[in-house]
Amino acid sequence: QVQLVESGGGVVQPGRSLRLSCAASGFTFSSYGMHWVRQAPGKGLEWVAVIWYDGSIKYYGDSVKGRCSISRDNSKNTLYLQVDSLRAEDTAVYYCATLSSSWALDYWGQGTLVTVSS
Amino acid sequence: QSALTQPRSVSGSPGQSVTISCTGTSSDVGGYDFASWHQHHPGKGPKLMIYDVSKRPSGVPARFSGSKSGNTASLTISGLQAEDEADYYCCSFAGSYTWIFGGGTKVTVL
Repeated sequence: QVQLVESGGGVVQPGRSLRLSCAASGFTFSSYGMHWVRQAPGKGLEWVAVIWYDGSIKYYGDSVKGRCSISRDNSKNTLYLQVDSLRAEDTAVYYCATLSSSWALDYWGQGTLVTVSS
Repeated sequence: QSALTQPRSVSGSPGQSVTISCTGTSSDVGGYDFASWHQHHPGKGPKLMIYDVSKRPSGVPARFSGSKSGNTASLTISGLQAEDEADYYCCSFAGSYTWIFGGGTKVTVL
């Protein structure tokens, strides 16, 4: 079965960088686009970024554009999200999700918590 | 880009039906038939319940249905059950390889 496991979260100081990982299994990772979505405490879901199956297309949400970089290593079945110049408002649970052929986010991980605090 | 508009909460007794609306614009919900709905229990990863406005993934009960009219998508849960109590988020493709979510609706089973 499809499994997505995020890691790399933790407490980070403002202004620092963090790289999140999402390990995929149970499907042909190299054939699927992937998303990152986040949820700040007490808030709703916010779309962060998408990457095409081969890494050829990458797009970002307005709130992270210029500070985030999505990437993938198909040989390791792993998705990444690099977030730079972290701010308090980046505090959130970060989820990875698959991009279906119907443009939906169809499988989700359990999330990893990032807390930006001094 | 503002989030899609959903009611903060809806509630119903077991066996009743509830409908959640999701209002966007012609640039997202109204412009594409790619609205989806996701169920989110706290502490877990979200689960896709409806895609392409009205299609159900395998394993999702038939009591969940979706529809769209103009710039508003809707999720209906018929025959409400205790396990349906959760947060529900709509999501739409918004063009230029971007997506947008609604603010979320808390469904309470009375």
